[in-house]
Amino acid sequence: DAGVIQSPRHEVTEMGQEVTLRCKPISGHNSLFWYRQTMMRGLELLIYFNNNVPIDDSGMPEDRFSAKMPNASFSTLKIQPSEPRDSAVYFCASSLRGAGSEQYFGPGTRLTVT
Amino acid sequence: GDSVTQMEGPVTLSEEAFLTINCTYTATGYPSLFWYVQYPGEGLQLLLKATKADDKGSNKGFEATYRKETTSFHLEKGSVQVSDSAVYFCAPGSGNTGKLIFGQGTTLQVKP
Repeated sequence: DAGVIQSPRHEVTEMGQEVTLRCKPISGHNSLFWYRQTMMRGLELLIYFNNNVPIDDSGMPEDRFSAKMPNASFSTLKIQPSEPRDSAVYFCASSLRGAGSEQYFGPGTRLTVT
Repeated sequence: GDSVTQMEGPVTLSEEAFLTINCTYTATGYPSLFWYVQYPGEGLQLLLKATKADDKGSNKGFEATYRKETTSFHLEKGSVQVSDSAVYFCAPGSGNTGKLIFGQGTTLQVKP
């Protein structure tokens, strides 16, 4: 299995631009998680999906952030408009739903907003 | 709410030293417990897990035992190597949601 795939691996954009991050979970997994990691705030859960349905988006920082999961093999995280404080590494993870299920992380997308 | 506390880093050790990274948690019920490791520039990788009281998870020489009575899951390794230098995260599961509660991470630096 290829593991969780994220693209792009690096993104540099100017403030005000739209940014779209992409994730392909492990085949057969039915839960998907988006995290953000910064030095100041550590690892934060932004949103997670079960069976393509958003379950908890309480970690989404503000309305500029949105996430979708149109099917079991693809999810996007969009930031519009982007701001310098959005600079971080964004991770996607997937798991088989259940309290004892481990999550498998992608390599992350390093976003820099100038 | 559910939470986890890890010892603050960085932890700096010489090669072949003994490692302990403390982790305690508060959670409803009896969550599964995980340790993840993050090497520089990479995503988090599952290091080991334990799913019930007194279980011992182990991998790559690392061990951790699920201690229900003290709500702890301390990570240990008998002899660390330079290649173990990384950030280690303790993560209990949260109820039956499938979510994990991540600690702030503990940076381990191993010097030759």
